[in-house]
Amino acid sequence: EIVLTQSPGTLSLSPGERATLSCRASQSVPSSYLAWYRQKPGQAPRLLIYGASSRATGVPDRFSGSGFGTDFTLTISRLEPEDFAVYHCQQYGSSPYTFGQGTKLEIK
Amino acid sequence: QVQLVQSGAEVKKPGSSVKVSCKASGGTFNSYAINWVRQAPGQGLEWMGGIIPIFGPANYAPKFQGRVTITADESTSTAYMELSSLRSEDTAVYYCAMSGSSYYYYYMDVWGEGTTVTVSS
Repeated sequence: EIVLTQSPGTLSLSPGERATLSCRASQSVPSSYLAWYRQKPGQAPRLLIYGASSRATGVPDRFSGSGFGTDFTLTISRLEPEDFAVYHCQQYGSSPYTFGQGTKLEIK
Repeated sequence: QVQLVQSGAEVKKPGSSVKVSCKASGGTFNSYAINWVRQAPGQGLEWMGGIIPIFGPANYAPKFQGRVTITADESTSTAYMELSSLRSEDTAVYYCAMSGSSYYYYYMDVWGEGTTVTVSS
């Protein structure tokens, strides 16, 4: 089973700042099948990035994903108020399709 | 665009079972994976398993193997997740989510609203 470790656990930033979130895998993720989701309180997750770097339909271009192998990054170039939420990474290259523990992005 | 509508909240006794439904509308159902993901209060997301209806047998996470059964009814475009031998740690929101491309368990780009299952004596 591929274990995903997200860091930091909590990130405190201000609107307009740049956010960098990390997701590290215990072994290489096949085909870079790595996705990122944003989850607001009381809501279901929303897909942001798939295939490590492809933006999902309707996702603003301030969101970008990068990485391969075991190290992946989600970058939000300029934080908007709606971006303060929890972010989850997930690998879908090898069953079971595991998630990281999440990073909470909070307003500083 | 496909929409997923889940059944309502459940309160169950320890040791009992719960069955949650997920009905798809507005698009293709049979060739896309339906995943089941749960989230305990204040915790992260946990993939339980999934099914691609056209292929039949479900794929389960080892942690839930033997305790969860995932099925799909192609005639009604509805997937089901049944969890047995419930304990308090199973208290969570259970989501169904459809994969973004067909014939494989890809990323999940359509999510249901979630079903709260509370296990309490």
